[in-house]
Amino acid sequence: SAVISQKPSRDICQRGTSLTIQCQVDSQVTMMFWYRQQPGQSLTLIATANQGSEATYESGFVIDKFPISRPNLTFSTLTVSNMSPEDSSIYLCSVAGRAKDTQYFGPGTRLTVL
Amino acid sequence: RKEVEQDPGPFNVPEGATVAFNCTYSNSASQSFFWYRQDCRKEPKLLMSVYSSGNEDGRFTAQLNRASQYISLLIRDSKLSDSATYLCVVTRGDTGRRALTFGSGTRLQVQP
Repeated sequence: SAVISQKPSRDICQRGTSLTIQCQVDSQVTMMFWYRQQPGQSLTLIATANQGSEATYESGFVIDKFPISRPNLTFSTLTVSNMSPEDSSIYLCSVAGRAKDTQYFGPGTRLTVL
Repeated sequence: RKEVEQDPGPFNVPEGATVAFNCTYSNSASQSFFWYRQDCRKEPKLLMSVYSSGNEDGRFTAQLNRASQYISLLIRDSKLSDSATYLCVVTRGDTGRRALTFGSGTRLQVQP
């Protein structure tokens, strides 16, 4: 499976600011995904990011709040904009695996908004 | 109704015990099914895919019943290192998107 890294691993931010999270993969992948895991809950898909096209957002998530870039086949960023305490969560990127429909996850970014 | 439902547990079992987890899903169009394992403060890791014919990987056996929309995971001879949250995961059914829907997880604590 691909080796996936995320930066930062954690951050504490003030309300109203924005944070950009980076996801780097050690091999070229077509499909990358961004998830959120709120405290005590399971993962929720935010959006799918394919290189060369606009990200596809899930219901309840909008581009203005979570802009995503996918400049090449090994890198993506997710920005959490105009943060509020409700955005405190772990944000994870994932990539599609070789086996059908499998995904492998980065280590996550733990975000706390004060 | 949640798309993927699991008993949150915790399941507290002694070492060596056999433990079974169940999961139901609501989307009959789901095509692929998985169990992921998530350790505390870590990312989810793929444990195994689940097939209708049933599949086994060492001490782990997974089963899918499409008619009942039911998935199971059996762990035999539990080890302390099996302590984790087990996530039942299904694809959403919209082909090509590979979007996954996660259950809320079942917590297992194996005790010495």
